[in-house]
Amino acid sequence: GAVVSQHPSRVICKSGTSVKIECRSLDFQATTMFWYRQFPKQSLMLMATSNEGSKATYEQGVEKDKFLINHASLTLSTLTVTSAHPEDSSFYICSARAGGLWYQETQYFGPGTRLLVL
Amino acid sequence: TQLLEQSPQFLSIQEGENLTVYCNSSSVFSSLQWYRQEPGEGPVLLVTVVTGGEVKKLKRLTFQFGDARKDSSLHITAAQPGDTGLYLCAGYGGTASKLTFGTGTRLQVTL
Repeated sequence: GAVVSQHPSRVICKSGTSVKIECRSLDFQATTMFWYRQFPKQSLMLMATSNEGSKATYEQGVEKDKFLINHASLTLSTLTVTSAHPEDSSFYICSARAGGLWYQETQYFGPGTRLLVL
Repeated sequence: TQLLEQSPQFLSIQEGENLTVYCNSSSVFSSLQWYRQEPGEGPVLLVTVVTGGEVKKLKRLTFQFGDARKDSSLHITAAQPGDTGLYLCAGYGGTASKLTFGTGTRLQVTL
């Protein structure tokens, strides 16, 4: 199947700093990319949807100024957590979907990035 | 808001036992997917079901989509320790082009 990578896999930062997470589709062009957040022992919560070349659509309750998403190319999306605080510590997962009819296209998930804010 | 409730939330069984995980909603889904996630990793797609009443088998795993496309089940026969993980159902509902994830079922299979 298609491969989606994330970098870094783990990051520890100090409170108040910004952290950038990259998501790449390695063998296909991803028209749409999604960013999820997962707390321990919980399911995935969608944070935002991004389409290449346009602004991301954020889910209700997700601060767009805090979680900056850039989908500059068909193979790369970035999530920047600005002014991170301990409550932002979580497992962040991206997924990518090729073009075409959305209900026929599989979403491929990255391996996740563990963020710990001290 | 479309919700997908999974039951049970947690299941601990011994190797060789059978189990069923349920995924229920009051909403209709155009398709439903099942994923397995291991700690520290992203979800891995197991199957997609599209047609109401559809049954798909993947080795010891049997997936069923309800006739009304509001619910689904995952049955595992003769569970093995390698089946341990978090099982997630997720669906595309109505005209929504984004996946709604279920609440998750954590399965632990012991020797």
